[in-house]
Amino acid sequence: DADVTQTPRNRITKTGKRIMLECSQTKGHDRMYWYRQDPGLGLRLIYYSFDVKDINKGEISDGYSVSRQAQAKFSLSLESAIPNQTALYFCAASTGPDEQFFGPGTRLTVL
Amino acid sequence: AQSVSQHNHHVILSEAASLELGCNYSYGGTVNLFWYVQYPGQHLQLLLKYFSGDPLVKGIKGFEAEFIKSKFSFNLRKPSVQWSDTAEYFCAVNPDSNYQLIWGAGTKLIIKP
Repeated sequence: DADVTQTPRNRITKTGKRIMLECSQTKGHDRMYWYRQDPGLGLRLIYYSFDVKDINKGEISDGYSVSRQAQAKFSLSLESAIPNQTALYFCAASTGPDEQFFGPGTRLTVL
Repeated sequence: AQSVSQHNHHVILSEAASLELGCNYSYGGTVNLFWYVQYPGQHLQLLLKYFSGDPLVKGIKGFEAEFIKSKFSFNLRKPSVQWSDTAEYFCAVNPDSNYQLIWGAGTKLIIKP
């Protein structure tokens, strides 16, 4: 079984729409993360959560919000999508500061 | 601010060549260090990590990395690359166990058959 799953895998939407990307993990990791990946820019952290009641902004949180509904679930929302949010989004999970396990990614296109 | 530098953004090698990818970080204290790999169309996965102990770390698929504290470096090496090593490689540093990872920008490695 995959450790971290993401839905949807691909999404095309229009400017101004609200979008939610979902992430689930099955191994009981305490920490979860949302990243976006753009060509040539590497991985940039959007939000991270060290436990259910702990949510922190990352490097590029503007225009995004998150919800940690349970230890296993961490969703990312774009309240009003804009074209420069077109990117590949990865969720990851870890136990403490150890290895992060990544989901398969969501390719989001905002027209 | 803490940062991680990967010196080469693109590297092209022939099969059987030796590989060294540079990674330097700016944090002066105790750090945890990681190399991740992203094969084309796939998610990131761990190659190797260093927390403490022997500064020469061996990972999967014949990769190794050496932590040199005095140089703030954690370079990735492989003595003989294969076409299947074509991927993007990311160095990451955790400067504190209560902090998130700091990522390098990545190095795209292309191996010519």
